[in-house]
Amino acid sequence: ETGVTQTPRHLVMGMTNKKSLKCEQHLGHNAMYWYKQSAKKPLELMFVYNFKEQTENNSVPSRFSPECPNSSHLFLHLHTLQPEDSALYLCASSQEGGGRVNEQFFGPGTRLTVL
Amino acid sequence: GQNIDQPTEMTATEGAIVQINCTYQTSGFNGLFWYQQHAGEAPTFLSYNVLDGLEEKGRFSSFLSRSKGYSYLLLKELQMKDSASYLCAVLDSNYQLIWGAGTKLIIKP
Repeated sequence: ETGVTQTPRHLVMGMTNKKSLKCEQHLGHNAMYWYKQSAKKPLELMFVYNFKEQTENNSVPSRFSPECPNSSHLFLHLHTLQPEDSALYLCASSQEGGGRVNEQFFGPGTRLTVL
Repeated sequence: GQNIDQPTEMTATEGAIVQINCTYQTSGFNGLFWYQQHAGEAPTFLSYNVLDGLEEKGRFSSFLSRSKGYSYLLLKELQMKDSASYLCAVLDSNYQLIWGAGTKLIIKP
C-alpha cells in the first residue's frame, strides 16, 4: 500500500459513455498527478495539480477533464473517448515546494478499455 | 527533445546478477529515479541519484554518471519476485519527471 488509492480498478466503457476516475491520497501531499501508461511506451504526464491549482496540462484532449476539489482528491472525468484511449491511468502524489526533489507515490491504476 | 533510453526487455537467471542501463538526454538535470512496477500494480520507488557514484541499498544498487548521461540499476542475488518492469526517470530543469518506457525483467529458475 502506497497511501494512494484509485477507483475503479477496471473500467470498460463505450465511446458515448461518461465516466469518472477517482484518486485519493492519505499522505498529506500537496501535489497530485494523472499519468497515462500504454504498453511499451513511457509514462505520459497528463495533468498536475499543486495546492489544488492546475499547473500542467500536457496537450491532453478535451475529452479528458480533471477536477481537484481539495489536496487529497483528484478526479478524471471521461466523455466520448476513443479506442486508442484504452490504457492504464495512474494517479500519483508528492510533496512539492521550493524546487525540492520529492518522490512520487503511485496508486494501483485504473485499467480502462474503450470499446 | 528530451529522451530516456533503456532496453525493452531482459532475461536473467535466479541467483544471478543483472544490470539495467539507462541513458538520458534532458534539458537540465535534478536527479534520476528508478522505480519498480509489477504487472498490474503501482510503480514503487527504488532509488534516487543526484551525485555521481554508486548508491547501495540491500540487493539493489544504482549508479550515476552525469557527464555521460548514464545510469544503471544493479540487482544481485536475483529472486523470482524481482520479475517486474524497471522504470528510469529524470527530473529536468523544471523539476518535471521525464520517464523511460521501462525494462521488463524476466527471471528464470
